[in-house]
Amino acid sequence: DAGVIQSPRHEVTEMGQEVTLRCKPISGHNSLFWYRQTMMRGLELLIYFNNNVPIDDSGMPEDRFSAKMPNASFSTLKIQPSEPRDSAVYFCASSLRSSETQYFGPGTRLLVL
Amino acid sequence: QQPVQSPQAVILREGEDAVINCSSSKALYSVHWYRQKHGEAPVFLMILLKGGEQKGHDKISASFNEKKQQSSLYLTASQLSYSGTYFCGTEKGGGSEKLVFGKGTKLTVNP
Repeated sequence: DAGVIQSPRHEVTEMGQEVTLRCKPISGHNSLFWYRQTMMRGLELLIYFNNNVPIDDSGMPEDRFSAKMPNASFSTLKIQPSEPRDSAVYFCASSLRSSETQYFGPGTRLLVL
Repeated sequence: QQPVQSPQAVILREGEDAVINCSSSKALYSVHWYRQKHGEAPVFLMILLKGGEQKGHDKISASFNEKKQQSSLYLTASQLSYSGTYFCGTEKGGGSEKLVFGKGTKLTVNP
């Protein structure tokens, strides 16, 4: 199995630009999670989906962040407009069911200048 | 709501033992342990469910005391490969299903 796939692996952008992060979960997994990791705040859950439906988005920092899961094999996290404080590593993870082992993707390292 | 991990960091010599603790102020349904090496993604170690069971594989084991709302990860006869940051993720159940991660414990194993 290829594992969770994320793209891009690195993104450098300027403040105000739109950023789109992509995730392909492990085939057959029904739950997908988006996390953000920074030194200050650690690993934070932004949003998670069950069967493509957003279940809990209470961790999404503000309206500039949005996430979609149009089908079982693809999800996006969009930041518009981006700000320097959004700089972080964004991880996508998937699991067979929401309370089971989460498998993390390699992450996208985002730098907003 | 974020679980508290202790210690924040620990340095060992190869072969020594370590214990990492994870405490929550909320009743827990499960505790998940992950290890993350620098520049890499977190990797799953084990899940402990409500019931106080102890799990382990190789020389890494963990316990879960639901009454005390805490879990401990035990690393015995540490190896260089054990170095990394260990995170506990707690799930409070009752339909919550999401994990809240602690800030991590950085473990360094030296030769």
